[in-house]
Amino acid sequence: ETGVTQTPRHLVMGMTNKKSLKCEQHLGHNAMYWYKQSAKKPLELMFVYSLEERVENNSVPSRFSPECPNSSHLFLHLHTLQPEDSALYLCASSPSGTGGNEQYFGPGTRLTVT
Amino acid sequence: GQNIDQPTEMTATEGAIVQINCTYQTSGFNGLFWYQQHAGEAPTFLSYNVLDGLEEKGRFSSFLSRSKGYSYLLLKELQMKDSASYLCAVRADSNAGKSTFGDGTTLTVKP
Repeated sequence: ETGVTQTPRHLVMGMTNKKSLKCEQHLGHNAMYWYKQSAKKPLELMFVYSLEERVENNSVPSRFSPECPNSSHLFLHLHTLQPEDSALYLCASSPSGTGGNEQYFGPGTRLTVT
Repeated sequence: GQNIDQPTEMTATEGAIVQINCTYQTSGFNGLFWYQQHAGEAPTFLSYNVLDGLEEKGRFSSFLSRSKGYSYLLLKELQMKDSASYLCAVRADSNAGKSTFGDGTTLTVKP
């Protein structure tokens, strides 16, 4: 049990669909993150929220829209995705957005765009 | 920009010692992390170095030299379950979660 859960674990969607990924952390952390992990590529940081405020947006296309309603929940809303968006989407949390605190990762959502 | 280099693959024998190197060139430095990721699973935290020197945690140790932009992860008494990908990540500044990950080193432990 990592303390960070993600749903769904697997998702197949068409390019015209709208879906949302959900992440929940049970660790009392203040910062949450979305990463994209594609085959043979390093982890790519997409968004960072610290105390429910977005502090990082790494030039992610607008078809990805994050939402952080509170410090325990993080969503990634998806619409009109492309096949190249197929990847493992990992959520993570850390005790604080600053300092050397390590990140705790969820199990990820394996997304396939058809 | 940020640049992190790790070997792509390594192979070692059960019971042996292996050293996985990581070199980095970043616009700033506020700590280096090592994570372990088994196939199909999420990364898990192994170590954090912000000062020069060696940090030891059981069978795993991590070393940092800031002047050389260099770190290594040392795994002793290798076990089959240590077969995984090892990710080096550098926090360039103190901003929230601004860590850049290397491509990872896939370690295969053979009997």
